Amino acid sequence: DAGVTQSPTHLIKTRGQQVTLRCSPKSGHDTVSWYQQALGQGPQFIFQYYEEEERQRGNFPDRFSGHQFPNYSSELNVNALLLGDSALYLCASSLAMNTEAFFGQGTRLTVV
Amino acid sequence: GENVEQHPSTLSVQEGDSAVIKCTYSDSASNYFPWYKQELGKGPQLIDIRSNVGEKKDQRIAVTLNKTAKHFSLHITETQPEDSAVYFCASPSSGNTPLVFGKGTRLSVIA
Repeated sequence: DAGVTQSPTHLIKTRGQQVTLRCSPKSGHDTVSWYQQALGQGPQFIFQYYEEEERQRGNFPDRFSGHQFPNYSSELNVNALLLGDSALYLCASSLAMNTEAFFGQGTRLTVV
Repeated sequence: GENVEQHPSTLSVQEGDSAVIKCTYSDSASNYFPWYKQELGKGPQLIDIRSNVGEKKDQRIAVTLNKTAKHFSLHITETQPEDSAVYFCASPSSGNTPLVFGKGTRLSVIA
């Protein structure tokens, strides 16, 4: 049973660029949530997708956007990258927006 | 909104001793507060044990929840070096999602 998979694992971008991160949920799960984890901190909720719609959103600017596809996979897009966007980006999947969420290994984004 | 406080931020124990991590929450009406273990370079791994109200044990790990006092805790007995990691508590903020995390506890088990 494949768990949550994310790609790429590492990424280096320049300020002002745009980035797309990808996530495939755990088999059988239909809900994907994205979190940002700064070094030494707990994950911070960005947004959640269910039935291809953004259902909830955390305190992140509009530069952060996402998408969910019919196969439940999801993308996180960040425009106009800032140095402060450097972090570990985590995808979590669950069933029907249930609390029991399983995380992927994350994508380490470095903005230079 | 929901706020989660987690203590201690770091914890060092001798192998075989017990470790306790405590969290308090502010608003959630949930009965389920998950715990995650995060090893270096990896994503958070769900500790697959549910507390609901009271205490639930699974071999060396127990979780407790006190809804009156709004706090919950993780207990690890007979600690082993492989228990060394950062542990996060989490609380559902509204309905059952999304999760609001504590700032983490770095547990070091010294052999």
